[in-house]
Amino acid sequence: AQSVAQPEDQVNVAEGNPLTVKCTYSVSGNPYLFWYVQYPNRGLQFLLKYITGDNLVKGSYGFEAEFNKSQTSFHLKKPSALVSDSALYFCAVRDDSSASKIIFGSGTRLSIRP
Amino acid sequence: NAGVTQTPKFRVLKTGQSMTLLCAQDMNHEYMYWYRQDPGMGLRLIHYSVGEGTTAKGEVPDGYNVSRLKKQNFLLGLESAAPSQTSVYFCASSYALNQPQHFGDGTRLSIL
Repeated sequence: AQSVAQPEDQVNVAEGNPLTVKCTYSVSGNPYLFWYVQYPNRGLQFLLKYITGDNLVKGSYGFEAEFNKSQTSFHLKKPSALVSDSALYFCAVRDDSSASKIIFGSGTRLSIRP
Repeated sequence: NAGVTQTPKFRVLKTGQSMTLLCAQDMNHEYMYWYRQDPGMGLRLIHYSVGEGTTAKGEVPDGYNVSRLKKQNFLLGLESAAPSQTSVYFCASSYALNQPQHFGDGTRLSIL
């Protein structure tokens, strides 16, 4: 069975500082990993994905994520946070060993203070 | 460029009433999904479709039915609404199972 965990309900960062939003996963086969962002009263928007290849994935709005197979993690990062990055972030995973659907984490609220 | 459009955006129902939520996508995607979002629980898959005329159960299908008569539309029905179905409902579509999903802006449903 596949699962995904976002251990932090909320992350607070000062503007200009680096940010990290954590995600760990569990799958039987190889993982397909995604990050989405949700702004108030809107649907989720795709940020980036890892399917195979380079462990460092670059996405929209200056975000990147590092795939770590040994730690089964896919943490979202940004070198310098902006106030406009404040939103709800979701990690999602799919197991390639079956016809399983994507499972979403419970979400992490990112708050960037000026 | 509309993407995924959900109708209605808000609705209040009484217990026992029925209603249908409509999702339309203009990207010619094969896959469509219905999720519900509740505080602290992320998104949970209700039903999904891998193509016109097909539907399948997701994680929380009880109390809901779906239909995909046309490729661009995916309907979610509540036959007899219950307060536990108060939630925000999101529709999404994707080109393939491993491709990013495109989401609508949600339907906020309250069951009194």
